Amino acid sequence: DVKVTQSSRYLVKRTGEKVFLECVQDMDHENMFWYRQDPGLGLRLIYFSYDVKMKEKGDIPEGYSVSREKKERFSLILESASTNQTSMYLCASSLADGFTDEQYFGPGTRLTVT
Amino acid sequence: AQSVAQPEDQVNVAEGNPLTVKCTYSVSGNPYLFWYVQYPNRGLQFLLKYITGDNLVKGSYGFEAEFNKSQTSFHLKKPSALVSDSALYFCAVRDSGSARQLTFGSGTQLTVLP
Repeated sequence: DVKVTQSSRYLVKRTGEKVFLECVQDMDHENMFWYRQDPGLGLRLIYFSYDVKMKEKGDIPEGYSVSREKKERFSLILESASTNQTSMYLCASSLADGFTDEQYFGPGTRLTVT
Repeated sequence: AQSVAQPEDQVNVAEGNPLTVKCTYSVSGNPYLFWYVQYPNRGLQFLLKYITGDNLVKGSYGFEAEFNKSQTSFHLKKPSALVSDSALYFCAVRDSGSARQLTFGSGTQLTVLP
């Protein structure tokens, strides 16, 4: 089975802190994604990566950056956390096709910024 | 541009009755359509997808979905609901001619009453 793991299930940070969310997948998937999930808004794509060191902006990249130094690991960085970044963050991965294959999701990190 | 709508925030159904969770979409090319389910405090799990071929798609846990091109719909169905089906359901679409990203609906909370 594909396994996508995220470094923390719950995280509390202060406004202005730099925050790192880590995601690791164990199935040699090419594509990796970061989403945020908010009630009534569904999932919104922040960034995705289709290869090591490659990244593309999603629908809501402002205030975030990403890093993919190794194929299995995709990190989401909040340079200076703000209260409007309080949310559930979901990482996902998929095979190389990228169009027709399903995405596999991690359990999520619930981030609270105070 | 691609978009997807889930017109019902909440669906309640009695155990043993058939269930339907609605989804409509908009794309400029051909649609690739997906259903995911999220159980409490967990990441999303893939249920089924339509890429091409038979309009009736069967997936995990006895769920199926019908692709209707004229009505631009992809409703999720199950003949007999279980209490354990209670969860948050997301429809997602990808335009066959666009980038690798999925667009998710806002989600429908399904509650199956015993």
